[in-house]
Amino acid sequence: EAQVTQNPRYLITVTGKKLTVTCSQNMNHEYMSWYRQDPGLGLRQIYYSMNVEVTDKGDVPEGYKVSRKEKRNFPLILESPSPNQTSLYFCASSRMNTEAFFGQGTRLTVV
Amino acid sequence: DQQVKQNSPSLSVQEGRISILNCDYTNSMFDYFLWYKKYPAEGPTFLISISSIKDKNEDGRFTVFLNKSAKHLSLHIVPSQPGDSAVYFCAARGGGSNYKLTFGKGTLLTVNP
Repeated sequence: EAQVTQNPRYLITVTGKKLTVTCSQNMNHEYMSWYRQDPGLGLRQIYYSMNVEVTDKGDVPEGYKVSRKEKRNFPLILESPSPNQTSLYFCASSRMNTEAFFGQGTRLTVV
Repeated sequence: DQQVKQNSPSLSVQEGRISILNCDYTNSMFDYFLWYKKYPAEGPTFLISISSIKDKNEDGRFTVFLNKSAKHLSLHIVPSQPGDSAVYFCAARGGGSNYKLTFGKGTLLTVNP
């Protein structure tokens, strides 16, 4: 089954404690990206990657890092999480010019 | 600057009637438009798309219309069903090598039995 898998689904952490949200896709897609969804703001892109070792900032990259060492994986790293990063996060993948497939989301709370 | 706007935060319709969700955009470089549907506790799922070279695309009960001169698109759902109740996001993709999706804020559709 074609899918984008994120882990964990839910996470509560404390300010400053580094965390990683994993994302994996099994569709051999070149393009992957991370979004955050906040009330009244819709989905905003954090980072994206057009292929292995090629990443770039989206609209709201501050406080986040990503890596793309393998085509299927695109982890999101928060080196020092802060409460304003409490949000619902989605990973997505696509071929370059087709619709994006989304993971089920990771609800992160930073206290 | 919000490049994709969904001005109606919510919409309520009766089962069997038509649902019309609207979306406006400002960037004339957008060349591909998509609608996503999102249920609570799930990721957005792709619904239907349209290229900027077309003005209509239909898939079963769902039709998307694009008016490039007005920079406006709409999603029609006919007939609406209670299972269609969800948040609908309009998204647009920039032209050329920019594959980023820019999303609107979403419209919550409620279909009443």
